[in-house]
Parts: sequence; structure tokens; C-alpha cells
Amino acid sequence: DAKTTQPTSMDCAEGRAANLPCNHSTISGNEYVYWYRQIHSQGPQYIIHGLKNNETNEMASLIITEDRKSSTLILPHATLRDTAVYYCIVRVPYYGGATNKLIFGTGTLLAVQP
Amino acid sequence: EAGVAQSPRYKIIEKRQSVAFWCNPISGHATLYWYQQILGQGPKLLIQFQNNGVVDDSQLPKDRFSAERLKGVDSTLKIQPAKLEDSAVYLCASSLDPTGYGNFGNGTRLTVT
Repeated sequence: DAKTTQPTSMDCAEGRAANLPCNHSTISGNEYVYWYRQIHSQGPQYIIHGLKNNETNEMASLIITEDRKSSTLILPHATLRDTAVYYCIVRVPYYGGATNKLIFGTGTLLAVQP
Repeated sequence: EAGVAQSPRYKIIEKRQSVAFWCNPISGHATLYWYQQILGQGPKLLIQFQNNGVVDDSQLPKDRFSAERLKGVDSTLKIQPAKLEDSAVYLCASSLDPTGYGNFGNGTRLTVT
């Protein structure tokens, strides 16, 4: 089962920041938080990941709380093309950390409004 | 860099028929995954390969699903015989190694009637 909880849907105005929350209260110390998004009729697209520290790349910023029980994905200036389902995933290591498993939940449908 | 290629894009079959999906991962990616995504749900991992060996197939319904990656590059996923509940998008993903994030293809949408 997925180890994350996300709102089913959110709206955001074009040009404004989109803040997508995620709860992962049972996360373990060596488990990373990953974010993917899936635009209609396409495969999931990797956005960003983090362990403890906040992370930023060209697509988004990831803010992880100090206790690591929740995180927020921030799209600084949302556009209509950012309309998609956003998945927050706790990456679970197994086989002694030699490999990892992504367990997707149902995600958050972000609708960017003009 | 070319992405993960999948074919066909769409497939419609009748129940009890057979079907096969093909995946060509990103060049040099040793790890390959097949996921099943039912409408309204997130993708579910079916099988993971490392080169041509199976790492995890615990979620693969082995009575009807099979997958292979004979030369450690391309992979095929087969369903025989198909059931109505197999209607879904089948996604292939690849990564450089098992600890990397996956690059996904756009999937094959299967409709079983």
C-alpha cells in the first residue's frame, strides 16, 4: 500500500504558486520522498526527490518538514501545461537497499485555471 | 536522448485472446519496470528487471502474465488469456540502476471486450 496521503484535487490560478501537500507519517529514516506528475495520456514524469533537506530544481521546489512526516511540492509559477495528476511517493528500499520500489497512490489532480 | 519507446499505443482484444506489448528502454539503462495502471488509479508495479534477470515479480499474475528481457535491452509483456479486468494502461519505465528514478514511456492502452 502507498505510504502517502494527498488531497484528491486542487485548483490554482495561472501564474500563481501551486503548493501541493503530502502526508507520509510512517516514513522511515532511509526512505526518500519522490514526486512525479502525469499529464493526460502520458506516462508519469519525474519532478524531484529529497530525503531531509529542501530541494529545488528547474521544475519545482520540495519542502520537507523537520520530522519528515509531511512535505510540500511547490510549482512557483503555474501554467496551464502544469495541469496534471501529481503523485507523492515514498521510495521503499528492499533487498538490503540494493533496489527500490515506487508505490504510487492515487495522487492529486491539479487544475490550473486561466 | 530518446525516451522509453512502447508499442503499440492502443490495443483492443476480446476476452480470452492473447496480447503482447513491447518496450525499448533508454540506451544504457540496466533496470526496466512494467507497471499496470487501471483507470483512476496510480501505476502498480508488475515486474522489475535488472539486465535480463527478474528482481521482483511479486505482483505479476503469473497464471496469465509473462514478461521477458532476453538480451537485457528490449522487453515484452504478454497476457494469455486476457480477462476484462486486464483493461488498463501498461507502462514501461527504465533507469540506469535500481536506485535511480524511472523514466516512463507513454504506455499501451489495452481494452478487453
